Amino acid sequence: QKEVEQNSGPLSVPEGAIASLNCTYSDRGSQSFFWYRQYSGKSPELIMSIYSNGDKEDGRFTAQLNKASQYVSLLIRDSQPSDSATYLCAVNRGNTPLVFGKGTRLSVIA
Amino acid sequence: GAVVSQHPSWVICKSGTSVKIECRSLDFQATTMFWYRQFPKQSLMLMATSNEGSKATYEQGVEKDKFLINHASLTLSTLTVTSAHPEDSSFYICSARRLAGANTQYFGPGTRLTVL
Repeated sequence: QKEVEQNSGPLSVPEGAIASLNCTYSDRGSQSFFWYRQYSGKSPELIMSIYSNGDKEDGRFTAQLNKASQYVSLLIRDSQPSDSATYLCAVNRGNTPLVFGKGTRLSVIA
Repeated sequence: GAVVSQHPSWVICKSGTSVKIECRSLDFQATTMFWYRQFPKQSLMLMATSNEGSKATYEQGVEKDKFLINHASLTLSTLTVTSAHPEDSSFYICSARRLAGANTQYFGPGTRLTVL
């Protein structure tokens, strides 16, 4: 059973701080890694994708991948109240459907 | 961009009726579309994977005769909930993957189904 694990939270951070979201996965053959954001009552929205070890930055977001440790993380710098949402980690290999974690609920407090 | 639309965005129907939900990729061709269901405060649950021109692959526990999926073109997939019952009330979300390039899945805005 391929699994993606995330801490359900809630993770509370003050406005302006760095939010760190973590994810581990069980399938060592996973090749593609994604972070989605889901606001309450809405569908998931792609934030970032990462495919190779290391860091990938896009604006205030940085994704980090460590395939040896089967670990992927998302850092959000200068967190804003509008970042409050559930963050979903998803992985897959080849053309298989994404396997999603249950998500981490982030609350940014003004 | 990669825009996926869904129609309708919400629907209320009587128990026993059928409801059709459309999923369209607006600015790209999608070889594969996925249908998910999400109950309140729960995680996404993959229902089925559909490839253009072939039968859908259903996940274990999903009744293929109840949830009919048609993927007639590279930009359109439909999900029909047949003989809907109150327990089918949920948030149904489709996602699409491009014909070429990375295997990113792009999500539609979802359809909220309420069965009375």
